[in-house]
Amino acid sequence: KAGVTQTPRYLIKTRGQQVTLSCSPISGHRSVSWYQQTPGQGLQFLFEYFSETQRNKGNFPGRFSGRQFSNSRSEMNVSTLELGDSALYLCASGTDQETQYFGPGTRLLVL
Amino acid sequence: GEDVEQSLFLSVREGDSSVINCTYTDSSSTYLYWYKQEPGAGLQLLTYIFSNMDMKQDQRLTVLLNKKDKHLSLRIADTQTGDSAIYFCAEEGEGSGNTGKLIFGQGTTLQVKP
Repeated sequence: KAGVTQTPRYLIKTRGQQVTLSCSPISGHRSVSWYQQTPGQGLQFLFEYFSETQRNKGNFPGRFSGRQFSNSRSEMNVSTLELGDSALYLCASGTDQETQYFGPGTRLLVL
Repeated sequence: GEDVEQSLFLSVREGDSSVINCTYTDSSSTYLYWYKQEPGAGLQLLTYIFSNMDMKQDQRLTVLLNKKDKHLSLRIADTQTGDSAIYFCAEEGEGSGNTGKLIFGQGTTLQVKP
């Protein structure tokens, strides 16, 4: 089985721009979660989608949003980028009964 | 609130055992997890333990769970240089009712000296 894939792997943006990251879960997994990892704050939960519905949400501003498609692929969007949004964004997929398997991440640098 | 605490650094010699400790707050977590992260990479699931178990062994890995003290540990036997990485402990988020939301510790950097 192929693992979780994330595109792009690296991204450079400037302040004020927006960005869209993509995550393809493991085949058969309907849950997709997103996390932000920074040296200062560590790993923080952004949100989780299950069967195209947001099921859990972390404490991030509304600039961070996501969606899930009928094939379980998910995208997250960050609008009006700030320097502090520079991070590794990790996506994880799972089933309702199984744990989360993570992708390699997208490293975002905001200049 | 939800909180997971880990020591930040552990150094061992190759061939020794490593023990990484973690304390958590949410007693309702169904599963508790250990993940490994190598430089520049994502998180690799190492093992997990169901909350009604005390111990789980998987090859060189042994997980011990003390529910009363909310303490979780990961023992790596015969530690190798390839085990050098950051190890994260994680619990399920409060009220999530499933495995979709994980709360992570700060990570323990394991340094293995040859």
